Parts: sequence; C-alpha cells; structure tokens
Amino acid sequence: GAGVSQSPSNKVTEKGKDVELRCDPISGHTALYWYRQSLGQGLEFLIYFQGNSAPDKSGLPSDRFSAERTGGSVSTLTIQRTQQEDSAVYLCASSFTPTDEAFFGQGTRLTVV
Amino acid sequence: QQPVQSPQAVILREGEDAVINCSSSKALYSVHWYRQKHGEAPVFLMILLKGGEQKGHEKISASFNEKKQQSSLYLTASQLSYSGTYFCGTDLLGGNKLVFGAGTILRVKS
Repeated sequence: GAGVSQSPSNKVTEKGKDVELRCDPISGHTALYWYRQSLGQGLEFLIYFQGNSAPDKSGLPSDRFSAERTGGSVSTLTIQRTQQEDSAVYLCASSFTPTDEAFFGQGTRLTVV
Repeated sequence: QQPVQSPQAVILREGEDAVINCSSSKALYSVHWYRQKHGEAPVFLMILLKGGEQKGHEKISASFNEKKQQSSLYLTASQLSYSGTYFCGTDLLGGNKLVFGAGTILRVKS
C-alpha cells in the first residue's frame, strides 16, 4: 500500500478482555516499530522488529503485551486482560532501513472501559 | 533516557523564527525530528546522523552537536502550517529504536 496501515482505527473494549491491533507496513520496509501515545503525552517505545532478528521488546510495559511479525511484513500487537491504563493511541511505524525515516500509521485509538 | 526538549511550548506570529532544542545524557547515534498535528500521525522532518550526515526536507534545518549530545531544529519565517507538536527522537545504537522527548508545542498565529 501507499502508507502504513493500521486497523482498527478505533477500539473500545471492556476491562479484562484481550485485544489485537494490526499493522501493515510499507512494502519492502525491513524495520517495524510500535509506539504508544497517551492523551497529551509523547511517544513511548514498545517494540521494534528488524528483518529476521529477534525483536527488541524492551519497551513493553508488562507481560500482558506481546507482538509478532509474520513473514517480515504484517505485525500484530496483542494486549491481554486489558486495563484502563492501557487506553491510548497505539502507533505503528516502518522504515526501509534502521537509519531511514520512519513512516507512521494513523494509529489505533484504544479505549478500555 | 528520555531526551529533554525545550521550550515546552512557543507561540509565534507568522514570519517569526523559532529554535527547538533536544538534549540527551547519552552518546547518540542519531537524532530524528517529527511534527505531529492534532489527531494525526507524526510526520518525518529530519534525521541527523553521527558524523554529520543529514536526511531531511530542504526547508527544515537542524544541527547536531555530537560532543554535547544536543540537537536544535530551526524554523525560519514560520507559517501557519508549522503549528503542531515537535518531537525529537534519539537513537543510541543505530537501530532506529527511538526514544522520544515530551514534545514542544508550536503555535503560529496570523
């Protein structure tokens, strides 16, 4: 596609439910990143995939968060047993190489009620 | 490890200049600058790499002082479209794992 695509754009879920957020990066981009942005806050790094290397999970806030990237393309961020503090916009970005500009998707706005 | 941005907010009139600063306590491989408008995704402005290489848009300029681990973004002859929140992201290892600052809110008034 022309840009990074994320789905769904909005997700409202009940506390305790699991959610899956999807990211479709730009074709050919080897690097993929997930960030979280709470209301009025900056961008918090979550996880980084580069090619076939093991992902850098150092930013995941708890073991309820996990992510995978299948076939070096589409990525899914899963949040288990969601909590109200998980409410945020989850942004995915991809870049051709690690030292090129990253293109961000429009994000998934997650609201946990 | 979060870089510190200053100022936190700035209001300009069209045509005025502004400088946004980003400083880190760690040795940096690169500094990335993004602008985000309300409700939109961050948009790339510039990358400054260790060693002096820059990648970015012609109308945006920035500097990177490797010794001081500081970067500055220069916005000249500001336009209304410059309004938004500017984030710097710092990369320590060249892997593009960016740690972003808290942002600088820029508002340009007519």
